[in-house]
Amino acid sequence: EVQLVESGGSVVRPGGSLRLSCAASGFSLDDYGMTWVRQAPGKGLEWVSGINWNGGSTGYADSVKGRFTVSRDNAKNSLYLQMNSLRAEDTAFYYCARDLRGGGWYLYFGLWGRGTLVTVSS
Amino acid sequence: EIVMTQSPATLSVSPGERATLSCRASQSINRDLAWYQQKPGQPPRLLLYGASTRATGVPARFSGSGSGTEFTLTISSLQSEDFAVYYCQQYDTWPPLTFGGGTKVEIK
Repeated sequence: EVQLVESGGSVVRPGGSLRLSCAASGFSLDDYGMTWVRQAPGKGLEWVSGINWNGGSTGYADSVKGRFTVSRDNAKNSLYLQMNSLRAEDTAFYYCARDLRGGGWYLYFGLWGRGTLVTVSS
Repeated sequence: EIVMTQSPATLSVSPGERATLSCRASQSINRDLAWYQQKPGQPPRLLLYGASTRATGVPARFSGSGSGTEFTLTISSLQSEDFAVYYCQQYDTWPPLTFGGGTKVEIK
């Protein structure tokens, strides 16, 4: 089955760090651009970060730039988001998502994981 | 940053009726617009990209139009499974990619 499964979400104190993972199965991750999108409970979607197929190009929302780092390990078919200096406003479900098509960086997303919840609270 | 504005915030529609959702960009995004549907407790689902191209498996009752700064998602005859929140997303200029605030389609 083609799917993405996020993990690593938990409760963390302000200023703390967390590393999210996204495991891909049923397809080879190395052909696709990938992204992280978050959604605070009851709120809308917010793009967080994106990475091209080989990790050579990345992008970040201003709200996380300098604090979050996206990376990938194509050999492990996995995507990561290292989150440092966490703030209360980072509390959200974090989804990883795959470009609709491989072979480029299309930036619209046809496959999503079910999300992992990050709660930043003291 | 390109700001995406969706209207209305909530749309009350009876089953079988037509629903028209709007998305406006703060500057031209050509046709680089995607639409997603999200139901409670689920991740978003891609409906349309390129403003009007349906993703695989999306019913023909979903259609999109527009270019530049004004876009529309039309659901020609609402089915029970279509009651959800709909988001537009621009991918013309990034970072950042930006989403609209969403339109909730509810049962009238």
